[in-house]
Amino acid sequence: GENVEQHPSTLSVQEGDSAVIKCTYSDSASNYFPWYKQELGKGPQLIIDIRSNVGEKKDQRIAVTLNKTAKHFSLHITETQPEDSAVYFCAARWGSGTASKLTFGTGTRLQVTL
Amino acid sequence: NAGVTQTPKFQVLKTGQSMTLQCAQDMNHEYMSWYRQDPGMGLRLIHYSVGAGITDQGEVPNGYNVSRSTTEDFPLRLLSAAPSQTSVYFCASSYLNGGQETQYFGPGTRLLVL
Repeated sequence: GENVEQHPSTLSVQEGDSAVIKCTYSDSASNYFPWYKQELGKGPQLIIDIRSNVGEKKDQRIAVTLNKTAKHFSLHITETQPEDSAVYFCAARWGSGTASKLTFGTGTRLQVTL
Repeated sequence: NAGVTQTPKFQVLKTGQSMTLQCAQDMNHEYMSWYRQDPGMGLRLIHYSVGAGITDQGEVPNGYNVSRSTTEDFPLRLLSAAPSQTSVYFCASSYLNGGQETQYFGPGTRLLVL
């Protein structure tokens, strides 16, 4: 199976600063890496994802980078705002077709302070 | 579309009681999954289904049963609740499009077993 490690577990940044969350994975065959944002009392929501044939992907203030050789990927949030405060989860998909599964990291609680 | 709905939102059980957590989706997704979320452990896959009539075990299936008689519904059954099953349960549905998957989560059911 897959093992995904996520760091840091908590992160506090000032409004306007950047935040970076890092994940490593163990299965070199993993090919899909989504990031989820979970607000208090709600289910996780997909915010960005990247496939193994792409090194970087951006969507406005958020970006994800993937280093296949080192087996790690990162979430970058620029110009952070208070509404970015939430728990963020990375995940890696391993296996193929209908047998593929997502393994999640343990989450990062991001707090954006004024 | 309502997306993924879960009922109940909150439930208290006594040890040994049984109950069913309901999950429904109206997006005509083939894949559905059940996860549990515990502090410091991220989301762990309990059971999943790749289509009506097909189910399989995830990472932590013991103590839980599932069935998939229709595309829309994927109930999770606890036959004899134990305090170790105190957790937040999330149902998710997804589809594969050209090898890329987008997973949608429900709002969760918070379960307390006394």
